[in-house]
Amino acid sequence: QVQLVQSGAEVKKPGSSVKVSCKSSGDTFSYYAINWVRQAPGQGLEWMGGIIPIFGTTEYAQKFQGRVTITADDSTATAYMDLSTLRSEDTAVYYCAKSRIVASITDAFDIWGQGTMVTVSS
Amino acid sequence: EIVLTQSPGTLSLSPGERATLSCRASQSVSASYLAWYQQKPGQAPRLLIYGASSRATGIPDRFSGSGSGTDFTLTISRLEPEDFAVYYCQQFGGSPGTFGQGTKLEI
Repeated sequence: QVQLVQSGAEVKKPGSSVKVSCKSSGDTFSYYAINWVRQAPGQGLEWMGGIIPIFGTTEYAQKFQGRVTITADDSTATAYMDLSTLRSEDTAVYYCAKSRIVASITDAFDIWGQGTMVTVSS
Repeated sequence: EIVLTQSPGTLSLSPGERATLSCRASQSVSASYLAWYQQKPGQAPRLLIYGASSRATGIPDRFSGSGSGTDFTLTISRLEPEDFAVYYCQQFGGSPGTFGQGTKLEI
């Protein structure tokens, strides 16, 4: 069973950047999209974007275009989400999540990381 | 962007009762691209249903999904104590993929 393990909590200043990692166990990392979803305190879920590691194909929600970069390293089976120009509204738990179907970003997410709390505060 | 509206916002029921949760889309969504998740406090969401009606691996058969077009339903036939949580629907037929605002199922 694939597991996704994320990096630890971060506290950042407004205007800075944060990079969150998501390491996959198992040997199928390259073939399944990894997505990033965030959840502000007490709020719902918001899809940010995803990547298919074997192709390097990415897709981003328009809201985050230009501010988010999602990458993947096949050699370490790790995906990364880099969010720049942070503001207080970016305070949230950030989850990585694996798509259910091979080579498809647009699919249900069947495996989730444990979440990474990112706090943006001066 | 496709907006998903879930109702009710909060549903108060007792163990053993039947729960019916609704998810309405602002425009038609292919059933293939509709999923349901359960989230408990302090935990990541868990996939329950994909393709509007297919149960994910390990999900008990008291959970069922139905619907098409703009109206989808998650039904829990007989509530167990561990079912009290927040439930989200998700569509990924239109870009960006979007989630509903959630239904809180409480005792």
